[in-house]
Amino acid sequence: AQSVTQLGSHVSVSEGALVLLRCNYSSSVPPYLFWYVQYPNQGLQLLLKYTSAATLVKGINGFEAEFKKSETSFHLTKPSAHMSDAAEYFCAVRSNTGNQFYFGTGTSLTVIP
Amino acid sequence: DSGVTQTPKHLITATGQRVTLRCSPRSGDLSVYWYQQSLDQGLQFLIQYYNGEERAKGNILERFSAQQFPDLHSELNLSSLELGDSALYFCASSPQGGQGNEQFFGPGTRLTVL
Repeated sequence: AQSVTQLGSHVSVSEGALVLLRCNYSSSVPPYLFWYVQYPNQGLQLLLKYTSAATLVKGINGFEAEFKKSETSFHLTKPSAHMSDAAEYFCAVRSNTGNQFYFGTGTSLTVIP
Repeated sequence: DSGVTQTPKHLITATGQRVTLRCSPRSGDLSVYWYQQSLDQGLQFLIQYYNGEERAKGNILERFSAQQFPDLHSELNLSSLELGDSALYFCASSPQGGQGNEQFFGPGTRLTVL
């Protein structure tokens, strides 16, 4: 069975600092991995996805994530945080049947001016 | 705008009541997923429909039911409501096939049970 674990339910960074949000997955087969962002009072929006084409995936708003099979990780990074990045971030894996997505518990990102 | 619509946006009701939440998927998407998001339990998968048929079941209570109609819109029915059912309910849709396809989320329905 697939699952994802997000380390750190709350992360605070200063404006302009590196953003690093951690996600580890558990999957018996090559996974399809996703990062979503949720702004207050809104639905989830796709940031980026890994579908085995390239290990370094670039997404919207300057975010990127690197798939590391040896570490079973798919951490999300952004070189320089903006105030507008403050939101909840979810890592997700899609089941190998394609029928279900498994979401992590989310990481709340705070950007300090 | 994801292309997924949900109505109503807000719903306030009393314990013991029954409500229906509606979702229209993106044009062409055959799969619809329902999620419950609460502060204490995070984002919980409830159920998935594909082209009118139930495909996967998650942590959905027996008091809850869903269906997908021939025009592909879906409804989530919540009955005998309890205070703990207060949450955000999201619908998402996904294109057919392709495990690399992501889900597109609607804006959610905020349910408050008093």
